[in-house]
Amino acid sequence: QLQLQESGPGLVKPSETLSLTCTVSGGSISSGSYYWGWIRQSPGKGLEWIGSIYYSGSTYFNPSLKSRVTISVDTSNNQFSLKLSSVTATDTAVYYCARHEWFGWENWFAPWGQGTLVTVSS
Amino acid sequence: QSVLTQPPSVSAAPGQKVTISCSGSSSNIGNNYVSWYQQLPGTAPKLLIYNNNERPSGIPDRFSGSRSGTSATLGITGLQTGDEADYYCGTWDSSLTDYVFGPGTKVTVL
Repeated sequence: QLQLQESGPGLVKPSETLSLTCTVSGGSISSGSYYWGWIRQSPGKGLEWIGSIYYSGSTYFNPSLKSRVTISVDTSNNQFSLKLSSVTATDTAVYYCARHEWFGWENWFAPWGQGTLVTVSS
Repeated sequence: QSVLTQPPSVSAAPGQKVTISCSGSSSNIGNNYVSWYQQLPGTAPKLLIYNNNERPSGIPDRFSGSRSGTSATLGITGLQTGDEADYYCGTWDSSLTDYVFGPGTKVTVL
């Protein structure tokens, strides 16, 4: 059974870079035609797609975050990572990683990691 | 402000049926498949429906999805207290080149 687990600092200072890693278990990140995505949810608010990466390294990003986001993949460790630069308090959120099934017009996220809360504060 | 519209809340008694609408446009729902997610309190979202009306393995047939034009609907029959959760629709928006989620609908079992 495929499982995903987010890890990284729970507190980041304003203007610094948020860094998270998602470790995939129960399956290989490079098997199958899957993307791997990051989604966040601000406290008490809805879901926002951040971006996704293919195992080969191709990336797609939310246009509103694109200038600050880097997503990378480490197939040898079955992980993919998120970096969000120049963070502000509005980047405080629960960050989820998920497998992103994306074939033409077909698009969905499953399964999801349990999520990790990142607070931006000095 | 989401490009998808959902009612903030719906409610019904146990055993009854609820429907949740998700309204969009030709750039999203009208030309891309819709998925639905259930988020139980304090947990991560879980895929309920993909490709408008397909259920992943393990999702009971009490949950159903449909799409007509630029709107999609999630139906839940035989409502149970365990169905109390937030439900989100999601789809690709070809104009925004963005995967968009609806604002979510809270389901309450009376």
